[in-house]
Amino acid sequence: DARVTQTPRHKVTEMGQEVTMRCQPILGHNTVFWYRQTMMQGLELLAYFRNRAPLDDSGMPKDRFSAEMPDATLATLKIQPSEPRDSAVYFCASGLSTGTGDEKLFFGSGTQLSVL
Amino acid sequence: KQEVTQIPAALSVPEGENLVLNCSFTDSAIYNLQWFRQDPGKGLTSLLLIQSSQREQTSGRLNASLDKSSGRSTLYIAASQPGDSATYLCAVKGGANSKLTFGKGITLSVRP
Repeated sequence: DARVTQTPRHKVTEMGQEVTMRCQPILGHNTVFWYRQTMMQGLELLAYFRNRAPLDDSGMPKDRFSAEMPDATLATLKIQPSEPRDSAVYFCASGLSTGTGDEKLFFGSGTQLSVL
Repeated sequence: KQEVTQIPAALSVPEGENLVLNCSFTDSAIYNLQWFRQDPGKGLTSLLLIQSSQREQTSGRLNASLDKSSGRSTLYIAASQPGDSATYLCAVKGGANSKLTFGKGITLSVRP
């Protein structure tokens, strides 16, 4: 049963610490998305990769956030330094894009981040 | 800027009831619209995708309709069951390579 795997599921850290979240997309998928979900803002797109190339990271605070895909089986989202306002659930999603824009997205279970 | 609104934020209904969840969006120039389900502590699961040229899509007890001109979509759930309890989100896409803009969701509770 193919699924998107995210680690860790929960992370509690102190302000100023570096946080790294990892995502293993479904094998064969060529698009990867990072979303942040909060009660106030809902779901916000942070970064989007196709064939490992970053296509859109306009929703990501560049001064502290970075997203990479070192290889096709791993996507990472880093926050350095973390701040209390970064507390949220971070979701990774993957899909198979054929260029039509209708790819079905498969979401991981998320990383619940709490920055104290 | 596209905005997606889902009202009410929460809904409680008795089992067996047919119900409609509403979604509205401000820019009618959309490429497609999707409905997702989110269970507590889980990620989103795609339910239905409607192309801009389509009026509705059906999957089992679920039917989603789209009225682009009025900026509205509805998700119809027939004969609701306690297992349908979840948060339902709609999302619109402005173009083939555009990002999805999500509503904040409607939390549905189906009482046995």
